[in-house]
Amino acid sequence: AQTVTQSQPEMSVQEAETVTLSCTYDTSESNYYLFWYKQPPSRQMILVIRQEAYKQQNATENRFSVNFQKAAKSFSLKISDSQLGDTAMYFCAYQGGSEKLVFGKGTKLTVNP
Amino acid sequence: SQTIHQWPATLVQPVGSPLSLECTVEGTSNPNLYWYRQAAGRGLQLLFYSVGIGQISSEVPQNLSASRPQDRQFILSSKKLLLSDSGFYLCAWSVPYWTGSGLARSKTDHEQYFGPGTRLTVT
Repeated sequence: AQTVTQSQPEMSVQEAETVTLSCTYDTSESNYYLFWYKQPPSRQMILVIRQEAYKQQNATENRFSVNFQKAAKSFSLKISDSQLGDTAMYFCAYQGGSEKLVFGKGTKLTVNP
Repeated sequence: SQTIHQWPATLVQPVGSPLSLECTVEGTSNPNLYWYRQAAGRGLQLLFYSVGIGQISSEVPQNLSASRPQDRQFILSSKKLLLSDSGFYLCAWSVPYWTGSGLARSKTDHEQYFGPGTRLTVT
């Protein structure tokens, strides 16, 4: 079974700085998708970014980018120019052939003014 | 555009009482629908998913059940709540699409979009 590991339960960063959240996963599949979701204090889950495993180019969405290392099964999220509104839980998720999302346990990110 | 609604937003129920949480999706047809539970300070646990009306798959044994009476409606129920049922319940949807052709044709989907959630406290 696939597993997703987020090794950083909590992180903090100063406003305007850059922070990287780590995620590793375990799978024997070759085709899959990876996602980062954000859950602010309102608890609404919001899709931040997605990466298709067959694409070598790292996905980017404005201030959010990923470092996808397929061989190492690593999928980190970089947040540039951190803003107070980025304070949230961040979940890494994997989707393979079963179509079900497998979530990590999350990283609580606090952006300090 | 697509939207997903969940209600109620907050619910406090005594142990042993019934439960009904509703989720509806607008702006799409034949979505895949999902129910997740998130315990305090923890990740998401998939409870049920549905690929069509009346088609429900259960991921974990429990005293909860799910139904899909209409294409864009997904209901989570219980006949008798337990204290351990407390948590934050999230409904999600995704749009499946077909890939391949002929015998190799298969249906798949990718990102899921979540509703605002229901906070359930069982007392």
